[in-house]
Amino acid sequence: GQQLNQSPQSMFIQEGEDVSMNCTSSSIFNTWLWYKQDPGEGPVLLIALYKAGELTSNGRLTAQFGITRKDSFLNISASIPSDVGIYFCAGRTLIQGAQKLVFGQGTRLTINP
Amino acid sequence: GAGVSQSPSNKVTEKGKDVELRCDPISGHTALYWYRQSLGQGLEFLIYFQGNSAPDKSGLPSDRFSAERTGGSVSTLTIQRTQQEDSAVYLCASSLGSGGGTQYFGPGTRLTVL
Repeated sequence: GQQLNQSPQSMFIQEGEDVSMNCTSSSIFNTWLWYKQDPGEGPVLLIALYKAGELTSNGRLTAQFGITRKDSFLNISASIPSDVGIYFCAGRTLIQGAQKLVFGQGTRLTINP
Repeated sequence: GAGVSQSPSNKVTEKGKDVELRCDPISGHTALYWYRQSLGQGLEFLIYFQGNSAPDKSGLPSDRFSAERTGGSVSTLTIQRTQQEDSAVYLCASSLGSGGGTQYFGPGTRLTVL
């Protein structure tokens, strides 16, 4: 099925470093979402972006909705051990009033203490 | 409960057997979604329910896959004659409505087909 192109696939960083990941698509989305998934758990919503060009922060997380509505990035500043996990972007469209999510392949973040 | 729950958490089955996976959405959420997550991959949409009806079944990979929802609450995903390529984590999510409401995910069922 359709997927977004998310990069990088994995990151190995030192605690305290900043992290950046992004997603691109050939399709336009109404909303971009960023989720985090811990082992054995379902994804949890981190940030939702609703307007092209929107820049939104949630604590140490910052995300932007691209002007073309075909891309988004997520930055994590001053990483800490609990940031470890898999991060997914998702594009959301509304089709006949029902939402549909398309997910990226995920970015696996590993932090060396 | 407060969140979406799924059972079983793990299921190991032999090729050719049928399996049923259960999802209990958040109370009051009318929309329910099933996704499949293969190893190292993102989530692949399977089917969506609004109440008890399934307006969008476009993601079901074959006719071996089916799902139902009763009473506008619990949903069951059934895979008949399982194949090894069905091995994956099956995630369920629910949202307050079918529109722009946030989807809240359950912990998933890890299915292994031997």
